Amino acid sequence: QQQVKQSPQSLIVQKGGISIINCAYENTAFDYFPWYQQFPGKGPALLIAIRPDVSEKKEGRFTISFNKSAKQFSLHIMDSQPGDSATYFCAASSTSGTYKYIFGTGTRLKVLA
Amino acid sequence: DTAVSQTPKYLVTQMGNDKSIKCEQNLGHDTMYWYKQDSKKFLKIMFSYNNKELIINETVPNRFSPKSPDKAHLNLHINSLELGDSAVYFCASSGTGGQPQHFGDGTRLSIL
Repeated sequence: QQQVKQSPQSLIVQKGGISIINCAYENTAFDYFPWYQQFPGKGPALLIAIRPDVSEKKEGRFTISFNKSAKQFSLHIMDSQPGDSATYFCAASSTSGTYKYIFGTGTRLKVLA
Repeated sequence: DTAVSQTPKYLVTQMGNDKSIKCEQNLGHDTMYWYKQDSKKFLKIMFSYNNKELIINETVPNRFSPKSPDKAHLNLHINSLELGDSAVYFCASSGTGGQPQHFGDGTRLSIL
């Protein structure tokens, strides 16, 4: 019940293309879903986050789509750039209680120039 | 002005030694965390402190002992280091009320 399943494990996209990463969760108590971007040698950095009261959130080229009934959420990166090449993690948490993050297993994205 | 800073960045040591990692945040957050990232990049929570009180203690060996002298600092002491402890350890902090967590750049621990 505490797992967050993330796919794909790795993704190669051409410059200008759309990158899509998917996550699924089981625990219906989760109510906060952030996405983190991690470059080699750096810590994860918050990219965008969503709460289940909305189905979509957009910030620049990054969009989260959220499907509460299916317990799935996804990150879309529009007009992907080589600088977007990094590892992306989805996470889920409950804002009541201890608020610990359960992370997905990560997606290594490579954007070809 | 690093928000969450960890020292050291790299730690290479022998099996059986004791070592500490320090973390400081200047964001005014009440909650701090330690995560372990293994060789497959999987991130897992280890501990969390809120205002110096331990609130999360995952199934981590007793050899790992966190200490929070004040709400801006959270240190991690590891006794009798084992080969399996080799990983990158990340400190993070967050405000209350479901605020996002901010991570440091990690400490890469290598056990010889």
